[in-house]
Amino acid sequence: NAGVTQTPKFQVLKTGQSMTLQCAQDMNHNSMYWYRQDPGMGLRLIYYSASEGTTDKGEVPNGYNVSRLNKREFSLRLESAAPSQTSVYFCASAHTGANVLTFGAGSRLTVL
Amino acid sequence: AQSVTQPDIHITVSEGASLELRCNYSYGATPYLFWYVQSPGQGLQLLLKYFSGDTLVQGIKGFEAEFKRSQSSFNLRKPSVHWSDAAEYFCAVGGTGNQFYFGTGTSLTVIP
Repeated sequence: NAGVTQTPKFQVLKTGQSMTLQCAQDMNHNSMYWYRQDPGMGLRLIYYSASEGTTDKGEVPNGYNVSRLNKREFSLRLESAAPSQTSVYFCASAHTGANVLTFGAGSRLTVL
Repeated sequence: AQSVTQPDIHITVSEGASLELRCNYSYGATPYLFWYVQSPGQGLQLLLKYFSGDTLVQGIKGFEAEFKRSQSSFNLRKPSVHWSDAAEYFCAVGGTGNQFYFGTGTSLTVIP
C-alpha cells in the first residue's frame, strides 16, 4: 500500500523559478490537502480540495496554485519561487467525514 | 476562530519516566481531536483520535489522551517513555468540515 506519494523529495530552486510538487493517493480519498511546515510554526494549510474539481484556499495560499487533476492527484505549483517559500511541504488526504489525515513523506524545497 | 495551542515547545524526559504533552484548542463546534507524531525526516503518523464517547482514548505505541471539554484540553500521556519516542508531536483539531488546524508542535528529547 503506497498511501500518499509525493514527488520530488528534495528540490533546490533559484528565486523566480517555477516548479510543481506532485501528490497522489491510492486510498480513494475524497479530500486532499497541501501543508507547509516551518520551524516554530507547525503545519499551515495552503490549499485543500474537498472533492475532485473543487479547491479552496487555506491559511497561507499566496504564491501558490493547485490543481486537482483527478480523484487521485493534487498538485501544488509555485509560479515564481521566493526565498520565503523555503519549507517542507506535506500532502495529505482523507475520506470526507472520516476526518483522519494520511500524510505523505514530505518534500523539502529550498529557494535561493 | 479555530486554533490549537501547544504551550511546550520542547520537553526533555528520562527514559522510563512518565510524559504529558499539553494541548488546548479553540473550536466553535464539537471538535474532533488528534495527536500526530513526526520522526525526523518523516511524515506525520496518527497516534490517536477522539471523535466522541469515552473521553480517555488509547492510541498506538502505548499513548493515551484525555479530552476535557471544560478545559478545552486534549493532553497526551505515556506512563513510561522509551528512547524511540523521541520525536515531534502535533495536536490537531477538526470537525465535520474539511479543515484541520494544527498546533506548533512539541519536540520531545529522551535522555537514556
